[in-house]
This record gives sequence, C-alpha cells and structure tokens, in this order.
Amino acid sequence: NAGVTQTPKFRILKIGQSMTLQCTQDMNHNYMYWYRQDPGMGLKLIYYSVGAGITDKGEVPNGYNVSRSTTEDFPLRLELAAPSQTSVYFCASSYRTGLNTEAFFGQGTRLTVV
Amino acid sequence: AQTVTQSQPEMSVQEAETVTLSCTYDTSESDYYLFWYKQPPSRQMILVIRQEAYKQQNATENRFSVNFQKAAKSFSLKISDSQLGDAAMYFCAYGDNYGQNFVFGPGTRLSVLP
Repeated sequence: NAGVTQTPKFRILKIGQSMTLQCTQDMNHNYMYWYRQDPGMGLKLIYYSVGAGITDKGEVPNGYNVSRSTTEDFPLRLELAAPSQTSVYFCASSYRTGLNTEAFFGQGTRLTVV
Repeated sequence: AQTVTQSQPEMSVQEAETVTLSCTYDTSESDYYLFWYKQPPSRQMILVIRQEAYKQQNATENRFSVNFQKAAKSFSLKISDSQLGDAAMYFCAYGDNYGQNFVFGPGTRLSVLP
C-alpha cells in the first residue's frame, strides 16, 4: 500500500517559472490537503478538497492553484514562482468516517525558488 | 477559525525521564479531533496519538498519553521513559468534523539527552 505519494522530492525553480507538484493517494480517501511548512514553523493549509471536482482555499492560497479531477490525484500548481514560495510542501489525505480522521502525509517536496 | 497554540518552542528531557508538551486550541465546535504528530529530521509526518473530543477518557499509546481538558481546550502530550528516537518536532493538530481543515500548531522541538 503506497499511501500518499508526492513528486518530485526536490526542485529548484527560477523566479517566474511555473511547476506542478504531484500528489496521488491509493486509499480512496475523500479529503485531500496541501500544506506548506516554512523553516522552523508549523504547517499552513494552502488548499483542500472534500471530493473529486471540489476544491477550496485554505489559509495561504495566493500564488497557487489546484484541481481534483479524480479521487486519487490532487496536483498543486505554482504560477510565476517567487522566493516567498521556497518551502517544504506536504500533501495529505484522510477518509471521513465520523470516527477516524487521521491525516496521512506524503514525504514532502522541498522547493527552492532562486 | 480554529487556532492551535504550542507555547514551548523547544524542550529537552533526559533519556528515560518523562516530559510533557503543551497544546491549547480554540474552537466553537463541540465535536472535533485532536492529534499529536511527530516529525523527525526525515520530514516524515508520523501520527503519535489521536483523541476524539466526545471521549472523556484520555488516549494512550504505549509510552505516549494525553491529558485532554475539553473545557480548558487543552491537549498536552506526555512521553514516558523517553528514548533517543523520540527526538523530533512535535505538532499538535486540530481536525474538524467536516474534513475542511487540519490546523497545526507551530511545533515543539524535543531533544532527548543521553
């Protein structure tokens, strides 16, 4: 069982470039999330999705876009990368049962914008 | 909006001793979930323990236990018989009952001294 898979693990972007961080989960989870973690800080929610075709903004959505065309995939798009987007990005998923809402995390993507 | 506060940026404990990490949160909901996640240097996010707000009994997982005080909105983590492998960042997190959000605290860096 692969769980939550993120690619790439590392990436260096130049200012103004664009890229997509991939996230896929094989647990049939309804809920998926993208977080960023700045050095020495906690996780801040960028976007989340409660199911295929439904996405919503989190705490820090500016500069990012997401889509959720399937239950499994939740890519995060960075347009016009800026140094402020240098961070570690985590994708997570969970399955709401009303009793168990554990979030499963990917391994993270370390992004540097120079 | 829900918030999670961890007032101890850093803590240290002697090997085999006990340490308690503090967490407070703010919410207007009555049903929710609380979590402690461990993040070692590998950046992986590992669930340590989970508490359902409707349960009065404090959760326990081997050497890890919580003190959940719902009225005070407090959720502390006690680590007994600390081991070198417990050294990591520990994040307190709040999960709502709708899957819209996992809110993380800023984290506490725990060092275990031999």
